[in-house]
Amino acid sequence: ETGVTQTPRHLVMGMTNKKSLKCEQHLGHNAMYWYKQSAKKPLELMFVYSLEERVENNSVPSRFSPECPNSSHLFLHLHTLQPEDSALYLCASSQDLSSGEYQETQYFGPGTRLLVL
Amino acid sequence: QKEVEQNSGPLSVPEGAIASLNCTYSDRGSQSFFWYRQYSGKSPELIMSIYSNGDKEDGRFTAQLNKASQYVSLLIRDSQPSDSATYLCAVRSYGQNFVFGPGTRLSVLP
Repeated sequence: ETGVTQTPRHLVMGMTNKKSLKCEQHLGHNAMYWYKQSAKKPLELMFVYSLEERVENNSVPSRFSPECPNSSHLFLHLHTLQPEDSALYLCASSQDLSSGEYQETQYFGPGTRLLVL
Repeated sequence: QKEVEQNSGPLSVPEGAIASLNCTYSDRGSQSFFWYRQYSGKSPELIMSIYSNGDKEDGRFTAQLNKASQYVSLLIRDSQPSDSATYLCAVRSYGQNFVFGPGTRLSVLP
């Protein structure tokens, strides 16, 4: 248990559905991340939020829409996905220090395994 | 583009042997280095972090960093079948996001 939870753990959806993934961190961190992990591919960074502001969007299609209502919660809203979007979606958090100290560590949630039919 | 490279494996070692996992990175400004272990179907879990040149030991694990060669490694002594997993190398520069390597799959044979 890393202090980062994700729901649901598994999700099957059709291409016309709308669903949301939820992430919650109990570590007091101020930065949260969404990653996509497909089979036999490296982790792909999708979005980064620092102090509830989106600081990075790595050319992610608009069918993925993140939301960070506060520093403990992160959502990923999904709509009209494609079968190639099937993957493990991982949430992570870290403490980014304003002093510039770089010795922070990133902790991952258990992930949501998504299957798009 | 910043890159982190790892041999995808699988790396097979007999039980009790030393497993050596290697990682190279392209960004000379990288300052933080991490090794994560990921079991099949699970999320990555942090094993080691290292920030200075040299060795850092934690139980059966030793991380080695050589910034001049842009190389970081993980040694696992007395390998156990439970160490069989994919090991991800991650690198971070000041003010930048984490960059992960593709991972090396380790198989420890009983």
